[in-house]
Amino acid sequence: AQSVTQLDSQVPVFEEAPVELRCNYSSSVSVYLFWYVQYPNQGLQLLLKYLSGSTLVKGINGFEAEFNKSQTSFHLRKPSVHISDTAEYFCAVTSNNAGNMLTFGGGTRLMVKP
Amino acid sequence: KAGVTQTPRYLIKTRGQQVTLSCSPISGHRSVSWYQQTPGQGLQFLFEYFSETQRNKGNFPGRFSGRQFSNSRSEMNVSTLELGDSALYLCASSQAGTPLEDTEAFFGQGTRLTVV
Repeated sequence: AQSVTQLDSQVPVFEEAPVELRCNYSSSVSVYLFWYVQYPNQGLQLLLKYLSGSTLVKGINGFEAEFNKSQTSFHLRKPSVHISDTAEYFCAVTSNNAGNMLTFGGGTRLMVKP
Repeated sequence: KAGVTQTPRYLIKTRGQQVTLSCSPISGHRSVSWYQQTPGQGLQFLFEYFSETQRNKGNFPGRFSGRQFSNSRSEMNVSTLELGDSALYLCASSQAGTPLEDTEAFFGQGTRLTVV
């Protein structure tokens, strides 16, 4: 079984400051990892994904994440946030034998303040 | 190209009734997954259909069922509705069978079901 823990339910940050949203996972098999963003009353949009290869993954809107197998983490970072980044962020995991079934973390609400 | 379309966007039902939600995937996509999103439980996987076959099923009671048609459109049905079924139901479509094939799951805007 797989599980995902997002350590912070809310992260307040000032505009133009850097931010890190933390994600840890648990799995007995090789995993594939994702970060999604959800704006109010919207579905989920993929920010970035790790399937294999380089552990540093760059995504849309200036976000990046680093896969750390030894620490079972996949933290999301952005060097300078904007007001428009205010949203809910979800970390998700799947594996090769799980098809497209994603296991999501509880979400982190990023609140960017002016 | 058109995105994932879920209908209806909003729905109010009474306890004990049944409901059917629809999802039209992106053209050419063969995989459709359903998720339930609630403030208390977060995002939980319901089931996935691939080429009209249910491939994975989450831990939900048998009142939750689904199907996929030959054109990849999918429906999910919830019978004997309970207050706790109030949620945002999200559908995701994907072109291929697994993420390893480097395809992205595209989500619809969801159907917000309120059970009163």
